[in-house]
Amino acid sequence: GAVVSQHPSWVICKSGTSVKIECRSLDFQATTMFWYRQFPKQSLMLMATSNEGSKATYEQGVEKDKFLINHASLTLSTLTVTSAHPEDSSFYICSAREQSTDTQYFGPGTRLTVL
Amino acid sequence: SQKIEQNSEALNIQEGKTATLTCNYTNYSPAYLQWYRQDPGRGPVFLLLIRENEKEKRKERLKVTFDTTLKQSLFHITASQPADSATYLCALHKGNAGNMLTFGGGTRLMVKP
Repeated sequence: GAVVSQHPSWVICKSGTSVKIECRSLDFQATTMFWYRQFPKQSLMLMATSNEGSKATYEQGVEKDKFLINHASLTLSTLTVTSAHPEDSSFYICSAREQSTDTQYFGPGTRLTVL
Repeated sequence: SQKIEQNSEALNIQEGKTATLTCNYTNYSPAYLQWYRQDPGRGPVFLLLIRENEKEKRKERLKVTFDTTLKQSLFHITASQPADSATYLCALHKGNAGNMLTFGGGTRLMVKP
């Protein structure tokens, strides 16, 4: 199957700092990528849909100025958590849609801890 | 809005038996449905995709069925192994331009040796 990578796999930062997470589709091009957040023992919560070359579409309740998404190329989307606070601590997962098969492939996730 | 129900209770089975997981949905019929496996602290891993015009799909020890009349998908793992222990998620796609998946809450499978 197709491979999606995420970097970093984990990050610890101080409150008030910004953190950037990268999501790459390694062996296919993805015009659409997605960013999810997952709390312990809960299912994935879609945060936003990232479209290459255009603005991201955010789900209701997700602050677009807080979670900046950039999808500058067909293989890379980034999520920047700005002015992070402890309540932003979570597991963030991206996915990329392979258009030819309609399949979404997920990255391994990034564990963010804000102190 | 679409509601997806997966058995929230853990499914415990003996090694070698067939595990059957259920995914029920309400409202619209999805264009296709995907099953994923998720291990603790990891992202979901794609297993199978089945489209609305397909009744059944197989991949090695895995089998997925899709009944649009019952609004249900069943996921089977035959000859289960302890290594199959994980949380299994079903996700539905409406087939619209947004390309979004709606996820069920997942079912945790425990295969005992």
